[in-house]
Amino acid sequence: EIVLTQSPGTLSLSPGERATLSCRASQSLSSTYLAWYQQKPGQAPRLLIYGASSRATDIPDRFSGSGSGTDFTLSISRLEPEDFAVYYCQQYGSSPPLTFGGGTKVEIK
Amino acid sequence: EVQLVESGGGLVKPGGSLRLSCAASGFTFSTYNMNWVRRAPGMGLEWVSSISTTSRYIYNADSVKGRFTISRDDAQKSLYLQMNSLRAEDTAVYYCARGVGLLPYFDYWGQGTLVTVSS
Repeated sequence: EIVLTQSPGTLSLSPGERATLSCRASQSLSSTYLAWYQQKPGQAPRLLIYGASSRATDIPDRFSGSGSGTDFTLSISRLEPEDFAVYYCQQYGSSPPLTFGGGTKVEIK
Repeated sequence: EVQLVESGGGLVKPGGSLRLSCAASGFTFSTYNMNWVRRAPGMGLEWVSSISTTSRYIYNADSVKGRFTISRDDAQKSLYLQMNSLRAEDTAVYYCARGVGLLPYFDYWGQGTLVTVSS
């Protein structure tokens, strides 16, 4: 099983600041099969990034993903009020189980 | 517009059973792999089960193997999760999610249905 470790657990930032979220895999991911999701309280998760760096439909370009192998990053260039949420990474494409990271909460400072 | 609407959640006693449903619309259901993902209170997301098109491939998390069964009805554009021998640790919001690829990422999600296992 591939274990994903997200850091930090909580990120306290102000609107307009840059957010950098990390996701580290316990073994190298084949073909950058990593996705990022955003979840707000009481809402369903929303796909942000797939293939480590491809933005999903209608996702603003302030969201960007990078990385390969075992180290991946989600960046939010300038935080908008609606970006304060919990973010999860997920690995896919290899043998089951599909796994998620434990999440990073981005909160208003 | 892609829509996924879950139903069937509720309160059930340990050892009991429940069947979740997910009604899909806005896309050609039969051509997509479908999935269940859950989020327990205060916890993160956990993949539960996946079913491919034509139901040829089915994958389950170890935590639910032998207890949960995923199925689909393409004519009804519906996904199901039969949950038996429920445990307190199965308490969670269960999401139906459309998958991209056989072992997929999830591009559309339903709003979820709450399952509470308690005596």
